[in-house]
Amino acid sequence: EAQVTQNPRYLITVTGKKLTVTCSQNMNHEYMSWYRQDPGLGLRQIYYSMNVEVTDKGDVPEGYKVSRKEKRNFPLILESPSPNQTSLYFCASQFSLATYEQFFGPGTRLTVL
Amino acid sequence: AQSVSQHNHHVILSEAASLELGCNYSYGGTVNLFWYVQYPGQHLQLLLKYFSGDPLVKGIKGFEAEFIKSKFSFNLRKPSVQWSDTAEYFCAVTTTGTASKLTFGTGTRLQVTL
Repeated sequence: EAQVTQNPRYLITVTGKKLTVTCSQNMNHEYMSWYRQDPGLGLRQIYYSMNVEVTDKGDVPEGYKVSRKEKRNFPLILESPSPNQTSLYFCASQFSLATYEQFFGPGTRLTVL
Repeated sequence: AQSVSQHNHHVILSEAASLELGCNYSYGGTVNLFWYVQYPGQHLQLLLKYFSGDPLVKGIKGFEAEFIKSKFSFNLRKPSVQWSDTAEYFCAVTTTGTASKLTFGTGTRLQVTL
C-alpha cells in the first residue's frame, strides 16, 4: 500500500531533551516536506527536501533540523525542544515538481512540557 | 509570496443542507489549487484539485469547487451534506515556482448536525 508513515504518533517530552520524528514513504517520491499544524494557523511548512541531500527551509524552520540521506526517509529533529514546539506535525511527499499533489502522513502529536 | 484566506472558521449545518466554503488566494501568476479534508483524528486527504482546464472540478464524496480567476477564489461546494462530512477543510495553493510548498489557509471546521 502506497503511504507515508510517521513515528511516533504521540510523544510527550520535556524541554531540552533531543528527539527525532521519523518519516518514510514507499512511493519513490522526490519531494518531502514537514508541516506543523496549530489551531487558527492552519499548516505551516517547516522544511522541505527536493531530493537526497537537498533540503531547504520553509516558513517556520527555527528550532528544527532535517536530513535526507535516503530518498524514502526524511526525519525531523528537535535538538532542544521547547514548549512552543508543542504541535501536530505532518510529513508529506510528492512525486516530482510537475505533479504538485502532496500525500500526507498520519501526523505526530508532540507535547513539550 | 502567495497566501490563502478562508473566512469561515466554523460552520454548523444540518444534514441535507447545502455547503459553500470560501477560499481566496493572493498571487498574480499561475496557481494550482487544492482542497484537503481532515476528519477527526486523521491525516489530511485530498478532496479535489485544480491545475488547468475546466474551472469547475469535481472531487470525491460529492464535493466540487469552482475556480474563478477574476475573483482569486476557489470555493468548495456540496449540494447536500451528511453527518460524516464533519471535519476540518483546508484550502491550499502552490505556484509554478514553489511546487514543493503548499500554502494552506487556516481551515474551516464544519460541524454537521443530525
